[in-house]
Amino acid sequence: NAGVTQTPKFRVLKTGQSMTLLCAQDMNHEYMYWYRQDPGMGLRLIHYSVGEGTTAKGEVPDGYNVSRLKKQNFLLGLESAAPSQTSVYFCASSYSPGRRETTDTQYFGPGTRLTVL
Amino acid sequence: GQNIDQPTEMTATEGAIVQINCTYQTSGFNGLFWYQQHAGEAPTFLSYNVLDGLEEKGRFSSFLSRSKGYSYLLLKELQMKDSASYLCAFSGGYQKVTFGTGTKLQVIP
Repeated sequence: NAGVTQTPKFRVLKTGQSMTLLCAQDMNHEYMYWYRQDPGMGLRLIHYSVGEGTTAKGEVPDGYNVSRLKKQNFLLGLESAAPSQTSVYFCASSYSPGRRETTDTQYFGPGTRLTVL
Repeated sequence: GQNIDQPTEMTATEGAIVQINCTYQTSGFNGLFWYQQHAGEAPTFLSYNVLDGLEEKGRFSSFLSRSKGYSYLLLKELQMKDSASYLCAFSGGYQKVTFGTGTKLQVIP
């Protein structure tokens, strides 16, 4: 199993450009999450999904959109990138029905390092 | 509101024991996580405490007191590879987890 994968690993954008970050998991997890991590701020939840076709806002959703068309994929979109969106973005997933672990234990992808100039 | 406090940085000697404390405030609480994050890498799951008390897993142990809103992570027989950030996080329900800013641990020879 690859676990949670993210593409791309690095990206540099100019202000106003758009891009999509892709997250994929092969653990049959129901829940998926997008976080950003900034120095001194910890992990902050952007959006999350509790199942295919569902999405919900997290702590810092402004400037981002998400889609969960397939259970294994969770896409994060930036329509018009701003320098304030320079960050490391982590995707995570959790909860496989039938497994004896808490639904909240999250498994993280390797991250995407995004710089907006 | 929801809040997590943990020290920003700690330094400890190889072979020693170190305790990383975490206090939290939340209206809804299911359990307390500890994650390890090496520089430039993703967080990885270490432990999850639901009930009060100490849970031991090899060199790592985690303690929880729900009434005090307090947890600690105990690392024994420190190794250089234990140099990392340790993130305290609580599950407050509704499939969401709130993370602290992390404690950066430096292990020195």
